[in-house]
Amino acid sequence: YELTQPPSVSVSPGQTASITCSGDKLGDKYVSWYQQKPGQSPVLVMYQDTKRPSGIPERFSGSNSGNTATLTISGTQAMDEADYYCQAWAGATGVFGAGTKVNVL
Amino acid sequence: EVQLLQSGAEVRKPGATVKISCKVSGYTFTDYYMHWLQQAPGKGLEFMGLVDPEDGQTFYAEKFQGRVTITADKSTDTAYMDLSSLRSEDTALYFCARVSTRGVGGAYDYWGQGTLVTVSS
Repeated sequence: YELTQPPSVSVSPGQTASITCSGDKLGDKYVSWYQQKPGQSPVLVMYQDTKRPSGIPERFSGSNSGNTATLTISGTQAMDEADYYCQAWAGATGVFGAGTKVNVL
Repeated sequence: EVQLLQSGAEVRKPGATVKISCKVSGYTFTDYYMHWLQQAPGKGLEFMGLVDPEDGQTFYAEKFQGRVTITADKSTDTAYMDLSSLRSEDTALYFCARVSTRGVGGAYDYWGQGTLVTVSS
């Protein structure tokens, strides 16, 4: 099973960044999203498509339908600059997208 | 507070074996699956395998099958990942990560800090 993400997304501070993740019938699966900053471990920012873990700002939101899941960052801040990975399950295997670099310019 | 504490960086020669540990605290070890993931330099995350600490059952990704062994020690709340027949392409960061639920819709909710393995002659 494969997940496809754009390599990079650029956004101005305060604007909205949308990161897509595509896969066959992805809407039938639960998708999670992880943020990874340089030299750090990934952090879960969205799970079960639309749920934010405790401590994740409300500006992060998610959706999943058809073949595409989307992580949206509203009012993007400089601290949101990072790599973002989508993840779904193929049986017991965690499958990740290749990651999207969010550049806050 | 949930914590996953991994062992330190390792350097190995090609053909050698490396063993990485992941000691957990702050939750009941046997209640959650533990997965191991590889991240090569500048690359994304790749599933290697998992262990059910409750009964020791394992599942490995086809790519690593035959070279990876994942175990769990309930007496010390520690998971281990052995990777053998190391080659230069195994130079990477290795993470242990807990899966949030045994049911549908789980996510990697807690991660170790990562262990860098360098394979070099």
